[in-house]
Amino acid sequence: QQPVQSPQAVILREGEDAVINCSSSKALYSVHWYRQKHGEAPVFLMILLKGGEQKGHEKISASFNEKKQQSSLYLTASQLSYSGTYFCGIITQGGSEKLVFGKGTKLTVNP
Amino acid sequence: ETGVTQSPTHLIKTRGQQVTLRCSSQSGHNTVSWYQQALGQGPQFIFQYYREEENGRGNFPPRFSGLQFPNYSSELNVNALELDDSALYLCASSQVREETQYFGPGTRLLVL
Repeated sequence: QQPVQSPQAVILREGEDAVINCSSSKALYSVHWYRQKHGEAPVFLMILLKGGEQKGHEKISASFNEKKQQSSLYLTASQLSYSGTYFCGIITQGGSEKLVFGKGTKLTVNP
Repeated sequence: ETGVTQSPTHLIKTRGQQVTLRCSSQSGHNTVSWYQQALGQGPQFIFQYYREEENGRGNFPPRFSGLQFPNYSSELNVNALELDDSALYLCASSQVREETQYFGPGTRLLVL
């Protein structure tokens, strides 16, 4: 039940906005967003929990639509430092309680 | 507060050999999860350890095994290495089993 991320890749100019989507075929308990730069470990961005609670520590927002079984990550006024590959990881309801990651969305921000 | 650390950073092995990778969890974290990340893919869950017990396993063969120690550090052992085992191996620690996971820098394994 790997989540499906879209788009696969996006190229922006500095200051533009982007939305990355993450869809699940099963009901979600939580969605975890990470950013990974080339050759580095994934860095935690945000966790969204069933019931609407959202926890994160960067100026990036996200939504969690339980009915549609999907989450979206919103990057506004993008900066060069936002470049990297974004992964969503999901924990499904009634599942194994283990994170299952999507294939990632590669974001490139150009000057 | 120290973050998650892993050793070694890089490793080259030949097919059939065995390898041990190490992970020290973040201070205060009692859960360690191991992931395999192939080039261009998302991390794939191998297994998780919670208070020294295996707490779930992904779709990996038994030649992938692990341990967690009383200080919550962990090892990943892979026997009979295959070429397809070449990947970045990540460990992540968390305070409780299903909460936010923080990743270490990874060990890049190349099997020749």
